[in-house]
Amino acid sequence: GAVVSQHPSRVICKSGTSVKIECRSLDFQATTMFWYRQFPKQSLMLMATSNEGSKATYEQGVEKDKFLINHASLTLSTLTVTSAHPEDSSFYICSARDKTYEQYFGPGTRLTVT
Amino acid sequence: EDQVTQSPEALRLQEGESSSLNCSYTVSGLRGLFWYRQDPGKGPEFLFTLYSAGEEKEKERLKATLTKKESFLHITAPKPEDSATYLCAVGDAGGTSYGKLTFGQGTILTVHP
Repeated sequence: GAVVSQHPSRVICKSGTSVKIECRSLDFQATTMFWYRQFPKQSLMLMATSNEGSKATYEQGVEKDKFLINHASLTLSTLTVTSAHPEDSSFYICSARDKTYEQYFGPGTRLTVT
Repeated sequence: EDQVTQSPEALRLQEGESSSLNCSYTVSGLRGLFWYRQDPGKGPEFLFTLYSAGEEKEKERLKATLTKKESFLHITAPKPEDSATYLCAVGDAGGTSYGKLTFGQGTILTVHP
């Protein structure tokens, strides 16, 4: 139980284009999902918290217009990186919280912007 | 502001050599102390949640304990497949982001055969 998937696992895009990453909770309903970013050899940095049916809450320093988050259902949240630039290249990981308050993480998406 | 400090940053063990990882934390209202394992290029894998001082949980060769200021992850007779980065995180009972976790920097564990 408590499986979270992400798609795609890897994506390469050109500078200036937009990329959408999907996060799904496969066997439970997640009222809250989280998006993290991880740089090489560093820990996870929370980008935003999304609740189903409402606007996401972004952490300080995270650009809302660049990282668009949509939590359309209890099993799906999406992160769209708009007008991507090389500095947006990173490992993006989502997590979903079940009713017991525990968070389960997806396998991550490696984004490379050329 | 919640803070989590893990030590050591890196730990090298011989197979079978037991040891402990430390996680010290400062939080206004603790709503769970979480341990995760992360392999390179993958998302964190959930290991344990501890909610109150004195609580202990075990899973195979791993045992997690919790006090009011820190948590320990004890590894008994480790095997090479236990090599990974171990992450500690605290959940804050207060604030506006219910369920938000603050992570430590992690401990990179390497177990040599």
